[in-house]
Amino acid sequence: GAGVSQSPSNKVTEKGKDVELRCDPISGHTALYWYRQSLGQGLEFLIYFQGNSAPDKSGLPSDRFSAERTGGSVSTLTIQRTQQEDSAVYLCASSPPRTRTDTQYFGPGTRLTVL
Amino acid sequence: QKEVEQDPGPLSVPEGAIVSLNCTYSNSAFQYFMWYRQYSRKGPELLMYTYSSGNKEDGRFTAQVDKSSKYISLFIRDSQPSDSATYLCAINTGGFKTIFGAGTRLFVKA
Repeated sequence: GAGVSQSPSNKVTEKGKDVELRCDPISGHTALYWYRQSLGQGLEFLIYFQGNSAPDKSGLPSDRFSAERTGGSVSTLTIQRTQQEDSAVYLCASSPPRTRTDTQYFGPGTRLTVL
Repeated sequence: QKEVEQDPGPLSVPEGAIVSLNCTYSNSAFQYFMWYRQYSRKGPELLMYTYSSGNKEDGRFTAQVDKSSKYISLFIRDSQPSDSATYLCAINTGGFKTIFGAGTRLFVKA
Protein backbone atom coordinates (compact mmCIF):
# COMPACT_ATOMS: atom_id res chain seq x y z
CA GLY A 1 0.00 0.00 0.00
CA ALA A 2 0.95 3.65 -0.18
CA GLY A 3 3.40 4.95 2.38
CA VAL A 4 3.70 8.38 3.94
CA SER A 5 4.06 11.06 1.29
CA GLN A 6 5.42 14.57 1.67
CA SER A 7 5.43 17.54 -0.63
CA PRO A 8 7.31 19.33 -1.91
CA SER A 9 10.42 17.15 -1.88
CA ASN A 10 12.61 20.25 -2.09
CA LYS A 11 11.86 23.86 -1.25
CA VAL A 12 14.18 26.81 -1.70
CA THR A 13 12.97 30.08 -0.26
CA GLU A 14 14.28 33.47 0.67
CA LYS A 15 14.78 34.60 4.22
CA GLY A 16 11.61 36.15 5.59
CA LYS A 17 9.19 34.24 3.39
CA ASP A 18 6.56 31.82 4.71
CA VAL A 19 6.56 28.14 3.69
CA GLU A 20 4.05 25.33 3.95
CA LEU A 21 5.07 21.69 4.04
CA ARG A 22 2.51 18.94 3.51
CA CYS A 23 2.28 15.40 4.87
CA ASP A 24 -0.13 12.65 3.79
CA PRO A 25 0.01 9.85 6.38
CA ILE A 26 -0.78 6.20 5.80
CA SER A 27 -4.53 5.65 5.69
CA GLY A 28 -5.88 4.57 9.07
CA HIS A 29 -2.90 5.82 11.05
CA THR A 30 -4.09 7.92 13.94
CA ALA A 31 -0.77 9.35 15.10
CA LEU A 32 1.27 11.85 13.11
CA TYR A 33 4.65 13.36 13.95
CA TRP A 34 6.79 16.12 12.52
CA TYR A 35 10.56 16.08 12.98
CA ARG A 36 13.43 18.23 11.84
CA GLN A 37 16.75 16.68 10.82
CA SER A 38 19.80 18.88 10.44
CA LEU A 39 23.16 17.70 9.15
CA GLY A 40 24.86 15.58 11.79
CA GLN A 41 21.95 15.94 14.19
CA GLY A 42 19.37 13.45 15.29
CA LEU A 43 15.71 13.80 14.60
CA GLU A 44 14.42 16.79 16.51
CA PHE A 45 10.80 16.27 17.59
CA LEU A 46 8.52 19.16 16.61
CA ILE A 47 4.86 18.22 17.10
CA TYR A 48 2.62 15.18 17.64
CA PHE A 49 -1.00 14.62 16.69
CA GLN A 50 -3.05 11.71 18.04
CA GLY A 51 -6.57 11.31 16.70
CA ASN A 52 -8.80 14.20 17.69
CA SER A 53 -6.79 15.08 20.81
CA ALA A 54 -5.04 18.40 21.22
CA PRO A 55 -1.58 18.18 19.64
CA ASP A 56 1.61 18.14 21.67
CA LYS A 57 3.48 21.19 20.45
CA SER A 58 6.28 21.01 23.00
CA GLY A 59 8.98 20.59 20.36
CA LEU A 60 8.19 23.60 18.20
CA PRO A 61 11.30 25.84 18.40
CA SER A 62 9.52 29.18 18.14
CA ASP A 63 6.14 30.75 17.51
CA ARG A 64 7.07 31.02 13.83
CA PHE A 65 6.32 27.31 13.57
CA SER A 66 2.80 25.94 13.54
CA ALA A 67 1.07 22.82 12.30
CA GLU A 68 -2.43 21.62 11.74
CA ARG A 69 -4.04 18.35 10.86
CA THR A 70 -7.32 18.43 9.03
CA GLY A 71 -9.89 15.67 9.33
CA GLY A 72 -7.45 13.49 11.20
CA SER A 73 -5.46 12.92 8.03
CA VAL A 74 -3.38 15.42 6.05
CA SER A 75 -1.08 17.70 8.02
CA THR A 76 0.57 20.99 7.11
CA LEU A 77 3.63 22.43 8.85
CA THR A 78 3.93 26.18 8.38
CA ILE A 79 7.06 28.20 9.02
CA GLN A 80 6.58 31.95 9.00
CA ARG A 81 9.31 34.50 8.33
CA THR A 82 11.85 31.79 7.57
CA GLN A 83 15.40 32.16 8.84
CA GLN A 84 18.59 30.53 7.53
CA GLU A 85 18.76 28.32 10.62
CA ASP A 86 15.44 26.77 9.55
CA SER A 87 17.27 25.03 6.69
CA ALA A 88 16.93 21.30 7.32
CA VAL A 89 15.04 18.19 6.23
CA TYR A 90 11.55 18.10 7.66
CA LEU A 91 10.28 14.57 8.16
CA CYS A 92 6.76 13.42 8.80
CA ALA A 93 5.88 10.06 10.30
CA SER A 94 2.65 8.26 11.12
CA SER A 95 1.74 5.37 13.40
CA PRO A 96 -1.22 3.01 13.53
CA PRO A 97 -3.60 3.07 16.50
CA ARG A 98 -1.70 2.61 19.72
CA THR A 99 0.69 -0.31 19.68
CA ARG A 100 3.29 -1.09 22.29
CA THR A 101 6.14 -0.51 19.87
CA ASP A 102 4.81 2.82 18.62
CA THR A 103 6.48 2.05 15.29
CA GLN A 104 6.72 5.12 13.13
CA TYR A 105 6.55 5.08 9.36
CA PHE A 106 8.43 7.96 7.82
CA GLY A 107 7.94 9.89 4.64
CA PRO A 108 10.90 10.86 2.41
CA GLY A 109 11.08 14.35 3.87
CA THR A 110 11.07 17.88 2.53
CA ARG A 111 14.49 19.47 2.14
CA LEU A 112 14.13 23.16 3.00
CA THR A 113 16.82 25.63 2.03
CA VAL A 114 16.51 29.22 3.22
CA LEU A 115 18.76 31.62 1.32
CA GLN B 1 23.94 15.66 28.59
CA LYS B 2 21.87 14.35 25.70
CA GLU B 3 19.36 11.63 26.49
CA VAL B 4 20.84 9.45 23.76
CA GLU B 5 24.45 9.57 22.59
CA GLN B 6 25.55 8.03 19.31
CA ASP B 7 28.87 8.33 17.52
CA PRO B 8 28.14 9.92 14.11
CA GLY B 9 31.04 8.13 12.41
CA PRO B 10 31.52 7.74 9.54
CA LEU B 11 32.35 4.07 9.88
CA SER B 12 33.94 2.42 6.86
CA VAL B 13 34.32 -1.37 6.66
CA PRO B 14 35.12 -3.91 3.93
CA GLU B 15 32.40 -6.15 2.59
CA GLY B 16 31.88 -9.21 4.79
CA ALA B 17 33.00 -7.52 7.99
CA ILE B 18 31.05 -7.61 11.26
CA VAL B 19 29.77 -4.15 12.11
CA SER B 20 29.05 -2.95 15.63
CA LEU B 21 26.96 0.19 16.14
CA ASN B 22 26.31 1.55 19.61
CA CYS B 23 24.34 4.06 21.65
CA THR B 24 24.27 5.04 25.28
CA TYR B 25 21.34 6.59 27.07
CA SER B 26 20.81 8.32 30.37
CA ASN B 27 17.23 7.63 31.51
CA SER B 28 16.67 4.24 33.12
CA ALA B 29 12.92 4.56 32.45
CA PHE B 30 13.41 3.78 28.79
CA GLN B 31 11.99 0.36 27.94
CA TYR B 32 11.67 0.20 24.17
CA PHE B 33 14.76 0.23 22.00
CA MET B 34 14.76 0.49 18.26
CA TRP B 35 17.14 0.80 15.37
CA TYR B 36 16.16 2.68 12.23
CA ARG B 37 18.02 2.60 8.93
CA GLN B 38 18.05 5.68 6.71
CA TYR B 39 19.29 5.63 3.14
CA SER B 40 20.44 8.86 1.54
CA ARG B 41 17.56 11.23 0.79
CA LYS B 42 15.02 8.81 2.26
CA GLY B 43 13.10 8.70 5.53
CA PRO B 44 14.19 6.34 8.32
CA GLU B 45 12.68 2.84 8.37
CA LEU B 46 12.38 0.56 11.37
CA LEU B 47 14.99 -2.19 11.29
CA MET B 48 14.90 -3.78 14.74
CA TYR B 49 12.87 -3.39 17.91
CA THR B 50 13.67 -4.75 21.39
CA TYR B 51 11.76 -4.52 24.61
CA SER B 52 13.81 -4.34 27.83
CA SER B 53 17.13 -6.16 28.07
CA GLY B 54 18.42 -9.00 25.97
CA ASN B 55 19.19 -9.89 22.40
CA LYS B 56 17.05 -10.09 19.31
CA GLU B 57 18.19 -11.58 16.03
CA ASP B 58 16.79 -11.07 12.54
CA GLY B 59 18.83 -12.55 9.74
CA ARG B 60 22.21 -10.81 9.65
CA PHE B 61 21.14 -8.27 12.27
CA THR B 62 21.31 -8.62 16.05
CA ALA B 63 20.08 -5.97 18.48
CA GLN B 64 21.41 -6.07 22.03
CA VAL B 65 20.26 -4.12 25.07
CA ASP B 66 22.14 -3.88 28.37
CA LYS B 67 19.92 -1.87 30.70
CA SER B 68 22.37 -2.10 33.59
CA SER B 69 24.94 -0.19 31.52
CA LYS B 70 22.36 1.84 29.58
CA TYR B 71 24.01 0.62 26.38
CA ILE B 72 22.43 -0.64 23.17
CA SER B 73 24.10 -2.21 20.17
CA LEU B 74 23.32 -3.31 16.65
CA PHE B 75 25.52 -5.95 15.03
CA ILE B 76 25.54 -6.60 11.32
CA ARG B 77 27.14 -9.84 10.17
CA ASP B 78 28.52 -10.38 6.67
CA SER B 79 28.03 -6.72 5.85
CA GLN B 80 27.08 -5.85 2.28
CA PRO B 81 27.47 -2.66 0.23
CA SER B 82 23.67 -2.40 0.37
CA ASP B 83 23.96 -1.95 4.14
CA SER B 84 25.61 1.43 3.54
CA ALA B 85 23.27 3.88 5.24
CA THR B 86 22.83 5.90 8.40
CA TYR B 87 21.70 3.90 11.42
CA LEU B 88 19.76 5.69 14.13
CA CYS B 89 19.10 4.26 17.55
CA ALA B 90 15.77 5.24 19.11
CA ILE B 91 14.42 4.80 22.59
CA ASN B 92 11.00 5.18 24.14
CA THR B 93 9.50 5.00 27.62
CA GLY B 94 6.22 3.59 26.30
CA GLY B 95 4.68 6.97 25.68
CA PHE B 96 4.41 8.77 22.37
CA LYS B 97 7.77 10.51 22.41
CA THR B 98 10.67 8.60 20.87
CA ILE B 99 14.17 9.96 21.32
CA PHE B 100 16.49 9.43 18.37
CA GLY B 101 20.26 9.34 18.33
CA ALA B 102 22.19 11.46 15.85
CA GLY B 103 22.82 8.44 13.62
CA THR B 104 26.00 6.65 12.54
CA ARG B 105 26.94 6.76 8.88
CA LEU B 106 28.12 3.35 7.68
CA PHE B 107 29.98 2.68 4.45
CA VAL B 108 30.53 -0.93 3.36
CA LYS B 109 33.15 -1.13 0.62
CA ALA B 110 32.92 -3.83 -2.07
